[in-house]
Amino acid sequence: QVQLVQSGAEVKKPGASVKVSCKASGYTFSGHYIDWVRQAPGQGLEWMGWINPNSGGTNYAQKFQGRVTMTRDTSISTVYMELSRLRYDDTAIYYCAREIAVAGLDHWGRGTLVAVSS
Amino acid sequence: DIVMTQSPLSLPVTPGEPASISCRSSQSLLHRNGDNYLDWYLQKPGQSPQLLVYLGSNRASGVPDRFSGSGSGTEYTLRISRVEAEDVGVYYCMQALQTPYTFGQGTKLEI
Repeated sequence: QVQLVQSGAEVKKPGASVKVSCKASGYTFSGHYIDWVRQAPGQGLEWMGWINPNSGGTNYAQKFQGRVTMTRDTSISTVYMELSRLRYDDTAIYYCAREIAVAGLDHWGRGTLVAVSS
Repeated sequence: DIVMTQSPLSLPVTPGEPASISCRSSQSLLHRNGDNYLDWYLQKPGQSPQLLVYLGSNRASGVPDRFSGSGSGTEYTLRISRVEAEDVGVYYCMQALQTPYTFGQGTKLEI
């Protein structure tokens, strides 16, 4: 079955960087984009961008341009999302999700809590 | 960016009764191929979001048929024919016509 397993919770200081991983299994890794969506405490969902695991191509929301980098390692079917210059308002749960072309985000990871605290 | 607006934001329901959530987009989500690029998600308490409906009206795999999506252009509706206790959570619409994908504010369904 399709699974997206994310790395564990992180606590970072303002100005630092965080790198969250998302390991895919149960399907052809290169066949579907992986999107990243975050959710601040008690808030709604915010799309950050996607990565094409086949080509490594990316599409980032303008809000995160210059601070976010999405990469992949095809040898271990894993994608990464790195967010730099962290601010307090980056505290959120970060989800990875598989995107089926024109058919939605059909499988989600359990989320990774990133807390930014001094 | 396309702005998504949901209503109501809170929806108290009685089990067995129908429920309806509206979602409006700031521009049409109708693609030239005839599909409406609007998805619905449910986030149950303490869980990750799950896909309910894609392309406006297509139920995702495993989604009960009491859920149905409709609409076109800028107006969309998610209907639950008979609410069950397991349907509680926050419902989000999301446009996938253009990046950045954007979500509605969420509608909290409570029993």
